Amino acid sequence: AQKITQTQPGMFVQEKEAVTLDCTYDTSDQSYGLFWYKQPSSGEMIFLIYQGSYDEQNATEGRYSLNFQKARKSANLVISASQLGDSAMYFCAMREANTGNQFYFGTGTSLTVIP
Amino acid sequence: DTGVSQDPRHKITKRGQNVTFRCDPISEHNRLYWYRQTLGQGPEFLTYFQNEAQLEKSRLLSDRFSAERPKGSFSTLEIQRTEQGDSAMYLCASSSGGGLNTEAFFGQGTRLTVV
Repeated sequence: AQKITQTQPGMFVQEKEAVTLDCTYDTSDQSYGLFWYKQPSSGEMIFLIYQGSYDEQNATEGRYSLNFQKARKSANLVISASQLGDSAMYFCAMREANTGNQFYFGTGTSLTVIP
Repeated sequence: DTGVSQDPRHKITKRGQNVTFRCDPISEHNRLYWYRQTLGQGPEFLTYFQNEAQLEKSRLLSDRFSAERPKGSFSTLEIQRTEQGDSAMYLCASSSGGGLNTEAFFGQGTRLTVV
């Protein structure tokens, strides 16, 4: 079974609008971490935001916030006030306590910001 | 230190040839990871090192693949007798530890094309 599922292959958003990128995960661990990475066309994976399984508050980093719903095993990324430079691939990833040395990645969502 | 660097950025090779990629992690990072990413997919874990010790290998890492990190600094990934299915982006990442909340910093990758 896939540990990370991203069901939106492609998304479009108008500049300055907000957009939500979906991510669901599958784990039997109680302790895990969830990450979002951005991958522009240059190829480098850029860390955006982290949410721990025991964190009670949703994580926020500037224009990025994570809508964490533990019971639903979802960790959606919200980008507010989209900018043209946000156009990229976005990957959700997870690290588990019992297999803590690797990141499991989803298949990604391609975001295009329209001027 | 400007981050994780990988060399070469692109490599075209004929089927059956051997190739070697290099990764220089962020200098104080003791963990180093190799991932493979094919078109339309997220990165897949190959192997990871803590200092010079290779602690985990994915079943994706066939006998034709070998990775080293001889002095706990840079790492090399060698693919012997390349096949067309090896064509992919090979990503290297490093981190300062294995905590659940520790993000990995990625290089820009080496894109391998086997013809």
